[in-house]
Amino acid sequence: QQQVKQSPQSLIVQKGGISIINCAYENTAFDYFPWYQQFPGKGPALLIAIRPDVSEKKEGRFTISFNKSAKQFSLHIMDSQPGDSATYFCAATATGGGNKLTFGTGTQLKVEL
Amino acid sequence: KAGVTQTPRYLIKTRGQQVTLSCSPISGHRSVSWYQQTPGQGLQFLFEYFSETQRNKGNFPGRFSGRQFSNSRSEMNVSTLELGDSALYLCASSLGSGGYNEQFFGPGTRLTVL
Repeated sequence: QQQVKQSPQSLIVQKGGISIINCAYENTAFDYFPWYQQFPGKGPALLIAIRPDVSEKKEGRFTISFNKSAKQFSLHIMDSQPGDSATYFCAATATGGGNKLTFGTGTQLKVEL
Repeated sequence: KAGVTQTPRYLIKTRGQQVTLSCSPISGHRSVSWYQQTPGQGLQFLFEYFSETQRNKGNFPGRFSGRQFSNSRSEMNVSTLELGDSALYLCASSLGSGGYNEQFFGPGTRLTVL
């Protein structure tokens, strides 16, 4: 059973544009929602994370929006750059149960010049 | 500070064989988690070890096992390999287990089963 649904599967954005990736979860026990960035040949790296007690978190060009009632969260990449081209994964975890991360299916982002 | 290291980086095995993968966490980290990454199933949690004890286990058959040593290094073993076990196996280390602990991933071991 897929507990975190992610869309779109792939995304092409022009340089300087906004990239938006959406995720939805089912398990109400989830209380920590990180986003990971993965480049080819590398392991995922934490980009930004949010707890459900806030509706938005911003770090540089990256913003997470969180809607607890809808059980949805999204990643916005402002002023997208070619170096942002990578695969992005949303994830969720129930922090009381250890470090088990449940991942979305991933979004392959390509930023074109 | 050195990152998470995984050995070997690439491995080719045949069906029916067994394999052992190794993960050295960041110094001071006591939790190690393992994930399987495939194009079809994405990133799936295998298990987590914290202070030498298995804390969590994902939905994988008993052919997949792991352990953690007193220095926090971890190994995972897959017995009786199947073609479907071909995947990138990632380990992630963290200071603690539970809470808002950031997990740091290694580069992975690419396993090919022929």
